[in-house]
Amino acid sequence: DIQMTQSPSTLSASVGDRVTITCRASQSVSTYLIWYQQRPGKAPKLLIYDASSLQSGVPSRFSGGGSGTDFTLTISDLQPEDFATYFCQQTYTVPYTFGPGTSVDVK
Amino acid sequence: EAQLVQSGAEVKKPGQSLRISCKGSGFRFPTYWIAWVRQMPGKGLEWMGIIYLDDSDTKYSPSFQGQVSISADRSTSTAFLQWRSLKTSDTAIYYCARSPSAFYGMDLWGQGTAVTVSS
Repeated sequence: DIQMTQSPSTLSASVGDRVTITCRASQSVSTYLIWYQQRPGKAPKLLIYDASSLQSGVPSRFSGGGSGTDFTLTISDLQPEDFATYFCQQTYTVPYTFGPGTSVDVK
Repeated sequence: EAQLVQSGAEVKKPGQSLRISCKGSGFRFPTYWIAWVRQMPGKGLEWMGIIYLDDSDTKYSPSFQGQVSISADRSTSTAFLQWRSLKTSDTAIYYCARSPSAFYGMDLWGQGTAVTVSS
């Protein structure tokens, strides 16, 4: 299985901040890298696919980058509704493994 | 409006069987994959497996192979996740999610089904 790691595990930030989350794969996944947001008590929501393509309806303050093994999710101008947990997932090889998640909380 | 509606919460005893469902509407069901994702209490997301609704091609995570069965009924646009013998460690929320293909990720999620297994 491809192992996914994320850093940091928790990130404390304020409204208006720019935050970056890193995701690393144990082997290359090309750009088969997906980002999801999960708010407490809710189902996950697709943010980014193909490492950097913004899902329809997702605000442009979200952006993704990277290829191969190293990826980033950046939220510019953090909004109150962005305090949530973010997961990366590789869909290059079955099983399509998730990272452990990064919780973005209020500083 | 496209949606996935999952069956309701379940409370079971160890050793019992269970099948939960995920019904799609508002989109052409056979052209998608449906994945199942586990979230244990306070934990992250675990990809369990996926089924292609057109031909029922199914792929499992090794962690869940043999522990659960994934199936689908095209005639009712419904996917299923089934256990033959539940364990207390199966206590979790189970999500189904739609995927056009691996490249595009899971773009539509069900609301989740909470399964509690306790003696």
